[in-house]
Amino acid sequence: DAGITQSPRHKVTETGTPVTLRCHQTENHRYMYWYRQDPGHGLRLIHYSYGVKDTDKGEVSDGYSVSRSKTEDFLLTLESATSSQTSVYFCAISEFPLAGVEQYFGPGTRLTVT
Amino acid sequence: TQLLEQSPQFLSIQEGENLTVYCNSSSVFSSLQWYRQEPGEGPVLLVTVVTGGEVKKLKRLTFQFGDARKDSSLHITAAQPGDTGLYLCAGAPGAQKLVFGQGTRLTINP
Repeated sequence: DAGITQSPRHKVTETGTPVTLRCHQTENHRYMYWYRQDPGHGLRLIHYSYGVKDTDKGEVSDGYSVSRSKTEDFLLTLESATSSQTSVYFCAISEFPLAGVEQYFGPGTRLTVT
Repeated sequence: TQLLEQSPQFLSIQEGENLTVYCNSSSVFSSLQWYRQEPGEGPVLLVTVVTGGEVKKLKRLTFQFGDARKDSSLHITAAQPGDTGLYLCAGAPGAQKLVFGQGTRLTINP
């Protein structure tokens, strides 16, 4: 199994509060991704990173920001959480281009915004 | 936005039956992956197909990439309760990113 951890695994927060989710990898993979998973929507890309300090938006980036100051860490921040951001968040890594775009996923963070 | 449509979204069958899950798009993908996800865990890669018409087998699972690289199918022979899970297809429209289908929730009843 790829060495990917996410923290926290579960979080309940109130509307309007800032929240930061952390993804940590030990594989030294270049690419890291944040997705959210909601019933009926599969996985939707929020942001991704193709190197330290290099990030780009995905299809559902509004309300989210990311940072990557080290190869192994990719942070997802909800500046002011809303109930629509209640979801399960997954981090993924990829050793592009050596292995194509196959991605390896972390265990997920279940976030509830009340 | 390139979309992948999976069908069916839910499937419940008896142990020993065969089934096929479809993943369709109007767009061409450079590769396509199938993942399986169990409750409380992240998706796990099952297979990647790259060439149009390619067929890959993983024990009782057979994956096919369409000739035009716009669609794929997953066929399970003699399904077992251990096959229960959420199956996701994901296509690479180009470099760097994947587009996921909405998933097929499969339940195999003993």
